[in-house]
Amino acid sequence: QKEVEQNSGPLSVPEGAIASLNCTYSDRVSQSFFWYRQYSGKSPELIMSIYSNGDKEDGRFTAQLNKASQYVSLLIRDSQPSDSATYLCAVKLTGGGNKLTFGTGTQLKVEL
Amino acid sequence: EAQVTQNPRYLITVTGKKLTVTCSQNMNHEYMSWYRQDPGLGLRQIYYSMNVEVTDKGDVPEGYKVSRKEKRNFPLILESPSPNQTSLYFCASSATGGHTEAFFGQGTRLTVV
Repeated sequence: QKEVEQNSGPLSVPEGAIASLNCTYSDRVSQSFFWYRQYSGKSPELIMSIYSNGDKEDGRFTAQLNKASQYVSLLIRDSQPSDSATYLCAVKLTGGGNKLTFGTGTQLKVEL
Repeated sequence: EAQVTQNPRYLITVTGKKLTVTCSQNMNHEYMSWYRQDPGLGLRQIYYSMNVEVTDKGDVPEGYKVSRKEKRNFPLILESPSPNQTSLYFCASSATGGHTEAFFGQGTRLTVV
């Protein structure tokens, strides 16, 4: 079983819709969770981080964490064509130092 | 401006010719790491460093070396590159601590022929 799993997509949503990206992780001692956005050929950039169960909102983005279900998600409201990118879920383990373990990413396409 | 700088951005080389990819950060971060990114495999950690003179293997260290003589620099060395090391490479740095984010360099696209 992969440590961090994401559906590779592509996930296609119309402009203005809500995009929902999901991630599951296998290690129960995971403590920190990050969503990075990566445009093709570019470096990952941080979108959201979340550490506690529940929702965390920042502008059009909401991260949701459920540690009991080992599940973290990212919602993008009012999706724009500029949101088209690959979204990487990353997990940091308790006692794992600073190592980030990444999922393989979900490709999002926002269509006009 | 806080940043992680990698060089070169693009590199084409031949099998067996030693090369070094440089990485420098200006955020005084203790932790630095190298990743390679391949289609379908995602980002995989090659080596990491917790501080000056402290380095350790990541998940895919074979064929790579690193050094950390100064806090800001963390070069990646391929002593004898092979075609299976053709990949997109990223350097990242972060402050130590559980909730700290990683900052990535611009990436180096390496092709070994």
